[in-house]
Amino acid sequence: GAVVSQHPSWVICKSGTSVKIECRSLDFQATTMFWYRQFPKQSLMLMATSNEGSKATYEQGVEKDKFLINHASLTLSTLTVTSAHPEDSSFYICSAPGTDSTDTQYFGPGTRLTVL
Amino acid sequence: RKEVEQDPGPFNVPEGATVAFNCTYSNSASQSFFWYRQDCRKEPKLLMSVYSSGNEDGRFTAQLNRASQYISLLIRDSKLSDSATYLCVVSLSWGYNKLIFGAGTRLAVHP
Repeated sequence: GAVVSQHPSWVICKSGTSVKIECRSLDFQATTMFWYRQFPKQSLMLMATSNEGSKATYEQGVEKDKFLINHASLTLSTLTVTSAHPEDSSFYICSAPGTDSTDTQYFGPGTRLTVL
Repeated sequence: RKEVEQDPGPFNVPEGATVAFNCTYSNSASQSFFWYRQDCRKEPKLLMSVYSSGNEDGRFTAQLNRASQYISLLIRDSKLSDSATYLCVVSLSWGYNKLIFGAGTRLAVHP
């Protein structure tokens, strides 16, 4: 099946710093990618839809100026958490839809962010 | 009301047991339905899609009742390796639409 990678797999940073997370589709092209966040013992929540060559679409309640998304190529989307605070500590996961006509999405392995 | 609701569990069962997970969804316009499996600190992995006619994959059987907006997953002959969190997921339409995840039901299979 299709492979999606994320980097880094985990990151610890100080409050106030910015953190960039990369999501790559390794063997297929993705014009759309999705960014999710999962807090402990909670469900994955969609944050935004990343669109190659255009602006991302953010879900209600997600601050676009805080979570910057760039989808610069057909295989790379980045999420930058700006001025991170402890409440941003979470598990961030990206996904990309498969190239078939189903609703299959391929998930990256996730990035665990801890903000001190 | 949550868009997708699941029994949080945990379900603690012995090896070989049959276990059933239930899920309800609130949006009657939902078109696609899935069960995902998520291991601790890992990404979710698709277990199976769910069709109106019901579908089976080995020890796993999924059922959908659109009238009741209810989805189920049955695992027969549980294995230790089945221990994970099972996520009920719906989508509003075919294609590259957003997935709505339930909070998951934790399953622990013990020897």
